[in-house]
Amino acid sequence: EAGVTQFPSHSVIEKGQTVTLRCDPISGHDNLYWYRRVMGKEIKFLLHFVKESKQDESGMPNNRFLAERTGGTYSTLKVQPAELEDSGVYFCASSQGFTGGWADTQYFGPGTRLTVL
Amino acid sequence: DQQVKQNSPSLSVQEGRISILNCDYTNSMFDYFLWYKKYPAEGPTFLISISSIKDKNEDGRFTVFLNKSAKHLSLHIVPSQPGDSAVYFCAASVNSGGSNYKLTFGKGTLLTVNP
Repeated sequence: EAGVTQFPSHSVIEKGQTVTLRCDPISGHDNLYWYRRVMGKEIKFLLHFVKESKQDESGMPNNRFLAERTGGTYSTLKVQPAELEDSGVYFCASSQGFTGGWADTQYFGPGTRLTVL
Repeated sequence: DQQVKQNSPSLSVQEGRISILNCDYTNSMFDYFLWYKKYPAEGPTFLISISSIKDKNEDGRFTVFLNKSAKHLSLHIVPSQPGDSAVYFCAASVNSGGSNYKLTFGKGTLLTVNP
């Protein structure tokens, strides 16, 4: 079974440009999460989708970030316009969903390293 | 304000010995705790978890202990192997009564197991 995949693995852009990151979750996983790790800091939650609906976007830094999950499959995270402080590694994770017991495991993708110059 | 803290940035142990990684949390609403392992250029890989109704969970060489009164958990790896060398992240979430299980992470501890 394929794991969570992310594209691109690395992106270098200039301040003011636009970048779109893509995440393909594990097939059948309803829950999709985006996280970010800025250098030297902890991995931080950005937002959570259940199927195509945004369940929680409390971690999104500002309105320059836009996440979508069309049809409840893959997700994109667009940064427009990019700023220097947006540099970091963006991780996507997916999980099957709440089944009545404790929350199920989140499986992470390899991440996209974004560098804004 | 960091809600999950891993106060040791690094830990070095000899192969075959026990590795103990520690994690403290401040949010008393957390009721589910996880450990992830991360190699360079890869995403975090789930290792083991524990819910707040337990104080110990074991899976092979890995055991997680939870002390709710102290808001402390630890991961024990025994025996440690060179392939265990990685960054270990402690994470926590609130599960009861909700449907959003966003994880709150610590900064990680780099474990080096020397042959």
